[in-house]
Amino acid sequence: NAGVTQTPKFRVLKTGQSMTLLCAQDMNHEYMYWYRQDPGMGLRLIHYSVGEGTTAKGEVPDGYNVSRLKKQNFLLGLESAAPSQTSVYFCASRTSGLHTGELFFGEGSRLTVL
Amino acid sequence: GQNIDQPTEMTATEGAIVQINCTYQTSGFNGLFWYQQHAGEAPTFLSYNVLDGLEEKGRFSSFLSRSKGYSYLLLKELQMKDSASYLCAVEDSNYQLIWGAGTKLIIKP
Repeated sequence: NAGVTQTPKFRVLKTGQSMTLLCAQDMNHEYMYWYRQDPGMGLRLIHYSVGEGTTAKGEVPDGYNVSRLKKQNFLLGLESAAPSQTSVYFCASRTSGLHTGELFFGEGSRLTVL
Repeated sequence: GQNIDQPTEMTATEGAIVQINCTYQTSGFNGLFWYQQHAGEAPTFLSYNVLDGLEEKGRFSSFLSRSKGYSYLLLKELQMKDSASYLCAVEDSNYQLIWGAGTKLIIKP
């Protein structure tokens, strides 16, 4: 079982460049999330989606865009990368409904912006 | 505002018991999660508490008191592989997870 897969795993960008992180899940989950994790801080929600074709802003959405054209895929885009976006990015998914429990995480994508 | 507090770091001895506390103030409550995260890896699910009381799962147990806004994760018979960060997260009334900064647990022989 693949679960949640993120690509790429590592990327180095120069300031101003753009890139897209891809998250794919094969569990037919409705909800998908993009988080960033920085040293000494908890996971911070960037954007999330509660179903195909829908997206919403999280806690730290500025500088990022997302799309959920297909239920299994959730893309995170950086239009003009900044050094402050150097971080580890995690995608996660879960089924919908109340008390559904576990969030399943991808392996993470390490992004460095020079 | 919403807030999750847990100790930054704890140290314990192999074979011993350790309790990691988590206190929270959130906009509503739908459940509390504990995740384990080894360095450089993704978080992995440990437990999910919705009702008050203790949930036991092997060497790990999780306790919840909703009236006190308090939870703890209890790890018994500590092993070196338990060295990791432990993340507490609360699902608020909007079904969003609010995460604590994590507790780094160091196990010494």
